[in-house]
Amino acid sequence: GQNIDQPTEMTATEGAIVQINCTYQTSGFNGLFWYQQHAGEAPTFLSYNVLDGLEEKGRFSSFLSRSKGYSYLLLKELQMKDSASYLCAVRDETGGSYIPTFGRGTSLIVHP
Amino acid sequence: KAGVTQTPRYLIKTRGQQVTLSCSPISGHRSVSWYQQTPGQGLQFLFEYFSETQRNKGNFPGRFSGRQFSNSRSEMNVSTLELGDSALYLCASSERQGTGELFFGEGSRLTVL
Repeated sequence: GQNIDQPTEMTATEGAIVQINCTYQTSGFNGLFWYQQHAGEAPTFLSYNVLDGLEEKGRFSSFLSRSKGYSYLLLKELQMKDSASYLCAVRDETGGSYIPTFGRGTSLIVHP
Repeated sequence: KAGVTQTPRYLIKTRGQQVTLSCSPISGHRSVSWYQQTPGQGLQFLFEYFSETQRNKGNFPGRFSGRQFSNSRSEMNVSTLELGDSALYLCASSERQGTGELFFGEGSRLTVL
């Protein structure tokens, strides 16, 4: 099984930088993903990490440490439209099957 | 390219009834997976289909079932509905099986009374 922990809610100021942490426990780690979900909308894919290190994509970066079971999503130059829920998901490989498990999401509120 | 389409968007059922939800993936995507999203449990994996075969299955009772057709369209069925089945059911498609880069539909919001 898996256990994924991320903060329930975070607030930040427009233009600032925010880091959303995610810790996980899994027996067959096979990748970590971040998704963004605006209220009432479908989740959209943000990033994928399978090796240790930082993946940068525009204003968003995601970091992974497999030995620590830890990832973070870094959002720079925050905009009001970044107010959303951010979901950390871990893919577990067991017996040839790939089962993704999502955290409960971190609700980010960006204020002026 | 059209996105993932789910129908119906909203539906209300009563306990004991059954429901069928439909999902049309992005053209060219052969993998379709289903998720249940509730405020209390978050996003939970139901199952994944690829080439008309169920490849992966989450920890849900047998009342939850699905299938995939030759054109990659998928349906999921929930029988003997319970109040706790009220949720947003999301379908996601991807090019390959087991990939984490999923493209989600808007979802079907089911309310069980």
